[in-house]
Amino acid sequence: AQSVSQHNHHVILSEAASLELGCNYSYGGTVNLFWYVQYPGQHLQLLLKYFSGDPLVKGIKGFEAEFIKSKFSFNLRKPSVQWSDTAEYFCAVNGRGGGSQGNLIFGKGTKLSVKP
Amino acid sequence: KAGVTQTPRYLIKTRGQQVTLSCSPISGHRSVSWYQQTPGQGLQFLFEYFSETQRNKGNFPGRFSGRQFSNSRSEMNVSTLELGDSALYLCASSKTGTGISGANVLTFGAGSRLTVL
Repeated sequence: AQSVSQHNHHVILSEAASLELGCNYSYGGTVNLFWYVQYPGQHLQLLLKYFSGDPLVKGIKGFEAEFIKSKFSFNLRKPSVQWSDTAEYFCAVNGRGGGSQGNLIFGKGTKLSVKP
Repeated sequence: KAGVTQTPRYLIKTRGQQVTLSCSPISGHRSVSWYQQTPGQGLQFLFEYFSETQRNKGNFPGRFSGRQFSNSRSEMNVSTLELGDSALYLCASSKTGTGISGANVLTFGAGSRLTVL
């Protein structure tokens, strides 16, 4: 079955700490990978995406993610978090096969709390 | 450039009633998808429409239905509401919903929060 697993439900960090959020997926075939972020009271926003090419992708606000095909992983990283990064982060995948690809499969999300 | 607009933002219904939610995609976007977000189940895919045709459907009962109009605006309907239908319903649009380019990136609306009493 197609699925996305996010290992951490809630992560608490102090400002300036480094961040790594884990994401593993199970999907038959070639995939597109996404990280979305939902700040408190705001709607889901795209953080970064991977379609093909360089497996290290950079997104907004200093975030980056690395696609490791052999591990079916797409972990999100940031070298130094800020209080404003407090949000819920969602990893998502869809397939590149024939037919509809509007079907994003999401992980359950990781809540990040950054202490000032 | 206007984003994805969903109406109403909040609504309260009682069990057994039905509800219709509306979504206006970004201008030029032809694919509209709907998701249900709950604390327990997270984000779950409901269905996707492209050019007025349902292209894909998630694992939800037939009480959940949708449609898309010629201007790409979409509605979803939930009939015979149950307490478990209380959720944030999110609409997302993309240019085509396929491929390996930006045309396949979903932009989400703020959602319609449904409470069923």
